[in-house]
Amino acid sequence: GENVEQHPSTLSVQEGDSAVIKCTYSDSASNYFPWYKQELGKRPQLIIDIRSNVGEKKDQRIAVTLNKTAKHFSLHITETQPEDSAVYFCAASSYGQNFVFGPGTRLSVLP
Amino acid sequence: DTEVTQTPKHLVMGMTNKKSLKCEQHMGHRAMYWYKQKAKKPPELMFVYSYEKLSINESVPSRFSPECPNSSLLNLHLHALQPEDSALYLCASSLGQGTANQPQHFGDGTRLSIL
Repeated sequence: GENVEQHPSTLSVQEGDSAVIKCTYSDSASNYFPWYKQELGKRPQLIIDIRSNVGEKKDQRIAVTLNKTAKHFSLHITETQPEDSAVYFCAASSYGQNFVFGPGTRLSVLP
Repeated sequence: DTEVTQTPKHLVMGMTNKKSLKCEQHMGHRAMYWYKQKAKKPPELMFVYSYEKLSINESVPSRFSPECPNSSLLNLHLHALQPEDSALYLCASSLGQGTANQPQHFGDGTRLSIL
């Protein structure tokens, strides 16, 4: 089955700096890669996603890159703000089946 | 606004009780999911329903019994649970399985405590 690894497990950055979180997956059949932000006590919220036919996607301060050959994808947050502090999960799925989440990254943005 | 509604928000039950968790969405989504999330861990997929049929059961113990009465509703029936089943139970929905690969929308979850 699919296995998703995620690094780092914790990340602290100064406000205004960039943050990068990296994930790797094992199943070459995976073709959909969402990223979720989860604040304490709240539900996971989709922040960006990428499909396997695309190498990069950007939405304002957030971008995701995908390298299918190497089976890894990354989340980039620029100009970080304190409200970006949360746990971020990457996930991989094949045709909507078997969503497998990475272990999560706790991001702290220091003012 | 949460487009996927879960009830109850909190549930405390004994190991001999029978209870049900409910999930509802009115977005016309045809795939619905149950996840279990322990503290400081990622969500773990339990069940997937596609077009009201169970398509994935991730080897979940039979004390958890899912039900999809119609395309908008998803239930999780609980019976004889163990203390280690205490967790946040999340429901999610997506447009449909297949080539669409549409994103999942999560509900706020039910926080379950087993005494």
